[in-house]
Amino acid sequence: RKEVEQDPGPFNVPEGATVAFNCTYSNSASQSFFWYRQDCRKEPKLLMSVYSSGNEDGRFTAQLNRASQYISLLIRDSKLSDSATYLCVPLSGGYNKLIFGAGTRLAVHP
Amino acid sequence: DARVTQTPRDKVTEMGQEVTMRCQPILGHNTVFWYRQTMMQGLELLAYFRNRAPLDDSGMPKDRFSAEMPDATLATLKIQPSEPRDSAVYFCASRGGRTYEQFFGPGTRLTVL
Repeated sequence: RKEVEQDPGPFNVPEGATVAFNCTYSNSASQSFFWYRQDCRKEPKLLMSVYSSGNEDGRFTAQLNRASQYISLLIRDSKLSDSATYLCVPLSGGYNKLIFGAGTRLAVHP
Repeated sequence: DARVTQTPRDKVTEMGQEVTMRCQPILGHNTVFWYRQTMMQGLELLAYFRNRAPLDDSGMPKDRFSAEMPDATLATLKIQPSEPRDSAVYFCASRGGRTYEQFFGPGTRLTVL
């Protein structure tokens, strides 16, 4: 089983839609999680950190379910500029390494 | 606005040539990571340093890759000799303080012909 599994997508949604991505992780010792977004031909950029059960920042909400070992990202009122690949990243048990998922592609259309 | 910088941004070279990539971490960050990204493999961790000491380079092909941090403001990744399968984008990231968030540089896009 992969350490991090994400639906590769693409998710094609209209502007204004709500979209959710799920991510499952295999290391039950992971305590912290991150969502990064990566635009085409650019570097990954930190979107959100999750240190407890969840986090909310504007239109973005992350929720963590430790019992089922999955973390979700909800985007409300999608904008064209949200089009990107979203990477789910648990922190490894060693607290030094980030384990990057392959990412979920989101395409928001007018 | 503190950022990780990387040079060169693009590099095209021929098989067998030496390639050196450089990274300047965010000032004050004491942990530096090197990643490689390809379409097939996604983002792979190659090596990382804390306080300039190598902590883990298990993700790096040892026979041709080497990573060093000669001082706190410079990390280097060298490939000698380069091969076409090394073609990828190489990212450097840095982390500091008590947080775990990593901040990425813009990457070096390497093409080995």
